[in-house]
Amino acid sequence: GNSVTQMEGPVTLSEEAFLTINCTYTATGYPSLFWYVQYPGEGLQLLLKATKADDKGSNKGFEATYRKETTSFHLEKGSVQVSDSAVYFCALSGQGGSEKLVFGKGTKLTVNP
Amino acid sequence: GAGVSQSPSNKVTEKGKDVELRCDPISGHTALYWYRQSLGQGLEFLIYFQGNSAPDKSGLPSDRFSAERTGGSVSTLTIQRTQQEDSAVYLCASSLGVQKTQYFGPGTRLLVL
Repeated sequence: GNSVTQMEGPVTLSEEAFLTINCTYTATGYPSLFWYVQYPGEGLQLLLKATKADDKGSNKGFEATYRKETTSFHLEKGSVQVSDSAVYFCALSGQGGSEKLVFGKGTKLTVNP
Repeated sequence: GAGVSQSPSNKVTEKGKDVELRCDPISGHTALYWYRQSLGQGLEFLIYFQGNSAPDKSGLPSDRFSAERTGGSVSTLTIQRTQQEDSAVYLCASSLGVQKTQYFGPGTRLLVL
């Protein structure tokens, strides 16, 4: 079945550091890929998405490119802020059917001033 | 506009009792999903509704779990004879339809003593 593997946390960075959170997937067909973020005490929010190979999703300075050849969707940000501290989830939804989301385990990011 | 709402926000119950969790999706969203977030298992899909029917119930962990949706809107997730391993945050999401972005509610935190 479909699955998502993302780097284990926690990740601790200083403000303005470069961020990469790795995400790889296993799926049949052509899934859509997502990054969701969960800020402390809040619900899951969609951060960005990509629906086909070579698409780049971007939002709030975060980017991720759908790489079919490496089955990856790594999340990057050039300069993190304290307010980016949160748990980040990589997810996919398959073609057809219910489009249910399959999530990675989540990566907790802490950004220190 | 209003987002997905869930009630109660917190529920503490005794082992063996039944609980009902409610989800109000975004108005006009035809697809509705239930997920569970627990420390050991991460984020897991439970059930999906399209309108009032549930074409995918594959994630329900046992026959103690059931869900219904009425009027193409509100959904209720019922857990009968709760067990301690049912303790988790139950998340609801809705979308305009399949292959559309899912928007999550704040969740119901369930604690079974």
